[in-house]
Amino acid sequence: GIQVEQSPPDLILQEGANSTLRCNFSDSVNNLQWFHQNPWGQLINLFYIPSGTKQNGRLSATTVATERYSLLYISSSQTTDSGVYFCAVYPGGGSNYKLTFGKGTLLTVNP
Amino acid sequence: DTEVTQTPKHLVMGMTNKKSLKCEQHMGHRAMYWYKQKAKKPPELMFVYSYEKLSINESVPSRFSPECPNSSLLNLHLHALQPEDSALYLCASSQVLSYEQYFGPGTRLTVT
Repeated sequence: GIQVEQSPPDLILQEGANSTLRCNFSDSVNNLQWFHQNPWGQLINLFYIPSGTKQNGRLSATTVATERYSLLYISSSQTTDSGVYFCAVYPGGGSNYKLTFGKGTLLTVNP
Repeated sequence: DTEVTQTPKHLVMGMTNKKSLKCEQHMGHRAMYWYKQKAKKPPELMFVYSYEKLSINESVPSRFSPECPNSSLLNLHLHALQPEDSALYLCASSQVLSYEQYFGPGTRLTVT
């Protein structure tokens, strides 16, 4: 099946710093989502981005499907950005309905 | 409104108990999902319903029994669970299969 790799696995920042999280996938994908899981366990949708670039406030994401990667940018980080960031993909082709998750990036933003 | 609700938030049950988890969405979505998540791991898919019919069962033990009574509601019936079944159980929904998924807040289950 498709492999989804996220880097870095852990990231510690000071408040106000910028960061880039990466998601590589091993095969073509139909759709890609970025999630933020807060310390209470809630998975929050950040982006639904099978290709192209999207922005939402301090966050933006770019997916280059032909090169099989996606990037999540966080600018001017805040302590509330702390948590785990997951990339998840629907593999392309056929009737595959399983959203495959990467292992996540644990982000800690210190005041 | 992109809200998926789950009840209860927390559940402690013994190995001989029977309990149910409930998930509800009012977004008109026709695909609903159950996931299990252990600490420091990504969510693992358990079941997928499409138009109230079970589409995917990821070889989940029979002590977990899903039910989709209508297009807005998804239940997970639990019976004779083991301590290793303790986890966060997440429900999600999407417009149809393979579309953007929206997750509920989860039920944190402890089996004693």
